[in-house]
Amino acid sequence: GNSVTQMEGPVTLSEEAFLTINCTYTATGYPSLFWYVQYPGEGLQLLLKATKADDKGSNKGFEATYRKETTSFHLEKGSVQVSDSAVYFCALSDPLNTGFQKLVFGTGTRLLVSP
Amino acid sequence: DSGVTQTPKHLITATGQRVTLRCSPRSGDLSVYWYQQSLDQGLQFLIQYYNGEERAKGNILERFSAQQFPDLHSELNLSSLELGDSALYFCASSVALAGPTDTQYFGPGTRLTVL
Repeated sequence: GNSVTQMEGPVTLSEEAFLTINCTYTATGYPSLFWYVQYPGEGLQLLLKATKADDKGSNKGFEATYRKETTSFHLEKGSVQVSDSAVYFCALSDPLNTGFQKLVFGTGTRLLVSP
Repeated sequence: DSGVTQTPKHLITATGQRVTLRCSPRSGDLSVYWYQQSLDQGLQFLIQYYNGEERAKGNILERFSAQQFPDLHSELNLSSLELGDSALYFCASSVALAGPTDTQYFGPGTRLTVL
């Protein structure tokens, strides 16, 4: 089945540093790829998505490009803020027998940003 | 705010008991998904409902069941609870487009603690 591998955390950065969180996937077919974020004590929020190869998803200064040749969807941000401290989950769509999709998640990467 | 609501936010109960978790999807969304987030298993898909009908099952225990009602809200019933059922339970909803571009929006979750 489809699977996602994320880099281990925590990732510890100073404010205004550059962020990369690596995500690679294994999939048959052409899944969509997602980044979700979970702030402390809260639920999952969709951060960005890409639905086909070479698509770039972006939101709130975060970006990720769907790279089919390297099966990757790395999350980047040019300058992190303390408020970006959260757990970030990479996910892909995995077909169900219904024609719909479930999400398969990576293990999550905790980001800690200090002032 | 994703538009998906879940109640209660927290639930503390004892082993052997039964609980019901409730989810209201975003307005217009026909599909509801339930996921479990635990420390050892990560985020895992449990079950999907579409327009009132069960459509797909994932790693859901036989002690667990769900329903989707005519007003499209859903309930997840957990019975004969064990310590290992302690987890964060998320509901997600989507418009239910067939294919990988369908996007799921998550509620804030219900944290279940079994003592």
